[in-house]
Amino acid sequence: GAGVSQSPSNKVTEKGKDVELRCDPISGHTALYWYRQSLGQGLEFLIYFQGNSAPDKSGLPSDRFSAERTGGSVSTLTIQRTQQEDSAVYLCASSLVGGSSYEQYFGPGTRLTVT
Amino acid sequence: SQQGEEDPQALSIQEGENATMNCSYKTSINNLQWYRQNSGRGLVHLILIRSNEREKHSGRLRVTLDTSKKSSSLLITASRAADTASYFCATDGFAAGNKLTFGGGTRVLVKP
Repeated sequence: GAGVSQSPSNKVTEKGKDVELRCDPISGHTALYWYRQSLGQGLEFLIYFQGNSAPDKSGLPSDRFSAERTGGSVSTLTIQRTQQEDSAVYLCASSLVGGSSYEQYFGPGTRLTVT
Repeated sequence: SQQGEEDPQALSIQEGENATMNCSYKTSINNLQWYRQNSGRGLVHLILIRSNEREKHSGRLRVTLDTSKKSSSLLITASRAADTASYFCATDGFAAGNKLTFGGGTRVLVKP
């Protein structure tokens, strides 16, 4: 079956512009996560959606970052007024149910470059 | 600092040798997971070990967990060039809710 997909795979944008990153989770997975990974570093948690519950936004680094998940499926991560420090790979993952007892399935990521 | 920290940061071995990497964490956990990442893209889940387990095996992988020392190890036996990747541990931690916190990873290079 289809895995987690993300688009675009690469995005180059100018400083100050807004960008939208998309994630299509595995069908039937109720939990969806966004992470950020800077070059050669580990994953930094950004936001977590579980079903219809209010999302856990505790990892968002600033109010320029926001995310939504429509219809419990597709999610969009929006970064407004991009800065060079936003350059990173943005990874999306989904799991059958939220919680650390379940493995997360990752998409291939979106590599964002802010010039 | 991160909940999970891997050691060493990088490891270079010959094909056929075993590779061992360690993960230390700070707060009590329910579960610990190991993931592999090739070429800086998506991660692939390898194994999950629960706090009441001490050892798990999956193919050539062996994971141990010592909750008294707050540490875990991942052993890859008879390594292959295809095992070249970064390996991350991820922990929950009672204060982390439903989130996993990932360490910085161990970069493993298996030379043919």
